[in-house]
Amino acid sequence: KAGVTQTPRYLIKTRGQQVTLSCSPISGHRSVSWYQQTPGQGLQFLFEYFSETQRNKGNFPGRFSGRQFSNSRSEMNVSTLELGDSALYLCASSLAGVNTEAFFGQGTRLTVV
Amino acid sequence: AQSVTQLGSHVSVSEGALVLLRCNYSSSVPPYLFWYVQYPNQGLQLLLKYTTGATLVKGINGFEAEFKKSETSFHLTKPSAHMSDAAEYFCAVSDRQAGNNRKLIWGLGTSLAVNP
Repeated sequence: KAGVTQTPRYLIKTRGQQVTLSCSPISGHRSVSWYQQTPGQGLQFLFEYFSETQRNKGNFPGRFSGRQFSNSRSEMNVSTLELGDSALYLCASSLAGVNTEAFFGQGTRLTVV
Repeated sequence: AQSVTQLGSHVSVSEGALVLLRCNYSSSVPPYLFWYVQYPNQGLQLLLKYTTGATLVKGINGFEAEFKKSETSFHLTKPSAHMSDAAEYFCAVSDRQAGNNRKLIWGLGTSLAVNP
């Protein structure tokens, strides 16, 4: 079966702009989580969506938001981009939540200039 | 708050040597425990997990990990390293008491280099 698909793979944006990243989970998976990965901070949890509802949220400013659609596809949006938002953004899907195996996409590499 | 510590951000071993990557967690209640591997320009892949039962867990690619409650540890081992094992390894924990507020807490990762 198809894995987790994240689009786009690479993105370059200017400070102050906004960006939307997309994640298509594995068919049948209802939980989608988003992470920010940077060399200095490692993997930081952004939020988790389950059946279109945000179930968990990390410690990120309100500029970071997300949503999940009825087909479980998810998007995350970052507004008013800052240089520090440059990172690899990873999406993970799972059947029910974090005690089941999470399957990761290849990520979206966002560069803010 | 739950935390995960991976000792050694970089580990280097020779091909054929034992691989030992360390992970300690802070929790009075044993959490769910995971090891993931990330190859360059890839997402993360689950190596193994401990939820309940046998404390020695076997995973993919010859890796295994042992949950030791008394040491609050979940170290990852492989008897003989291959060149293809060079990657970033992440330990993660999840609070089993948190119900729907459960989320994965990640270590900072250990970069494994395998020398010929």
